Amino acid sequence: AQSVTQLGSHVSVSEGALVLLRCNYSSSVPPYLFWYVQYPNQGLQLLLKYTTGATLVKGINGFEAEFKKSETSFHLTKPSAHMSDAAEYFCAVSVTGANNLFFGTGTRLTVIP
Amino acid sequence: DVKVTQSSRYLVKRTGEKVFLECVQDMDHENMFWYRQDPGLGLRLIYFSYDVKMKEKGDIPEGYSVSREKKERFSLILESASTNQTSMYLCASRRPQGGNTEAFFGQGTRLTVV
Repeated sequence: AQSVTQLGSHVSVSEGALVLLRCNYSSSVPPYLFWYVQYPNQGLQLLLKYTTGATLVKGINGFEAEFKKSETSFHLTKPSAHMSDAAEYFCAVSVTGANNLFFGTGTRLTVIP
Repeated sequence: DVKVTQSSRYLVKRTGEKVFLECVQDMDHENMFWYRQDPGLGLRLIYFSYDVKMKEKGDIPEGYSVSREKKERFSLILESASTNQTSMYLCASRRPQGGNTEAFFGQGTRLTVV
């Protein structure tokens, strides 16, 4: 079975500071990993995904994530936070043959002016 | 632009009512999903469908049923709404190829049962 753990349900950063949102996964087979963002009262929007190949994945809005197999991690980063980054972020995992994505419980990012 | 459309953004229903939440996708995806989102619990899968008239229970199917009569449409039904079903409901669709495809989400329906 697959699962995802997101450390920190709430993260606050100052505008211009580094954003780091943590995601660790559990999977007995090679995983596919996703980060989604949800703005207030909206659905989820894909930020980026890792399937195969390069382990550093770049996404929209300046975000990137690195797949580290040895650490079973897929942390999301952005060098400089903007006020518009304030949202909830979800990490998800899937594997070959799986119909479903398995989501973490989410991390709410607050950006302080 | 690909789209998953949920019929209502906000709904208020009374306890005991039968409630229908509708979802339509225009991407010809085989898989469609209904999730429930609650603070601190993330997204929990209620039901999913991998083909017309086919469905499988997710993690929290109790109190819900679904209908998929056409490929593009997936409906969630609350047979007799209760206050503990007050929540945000999210519909998604996905191509099943290999597991490496992303899911596309609707804008969500915030349901309040009073």
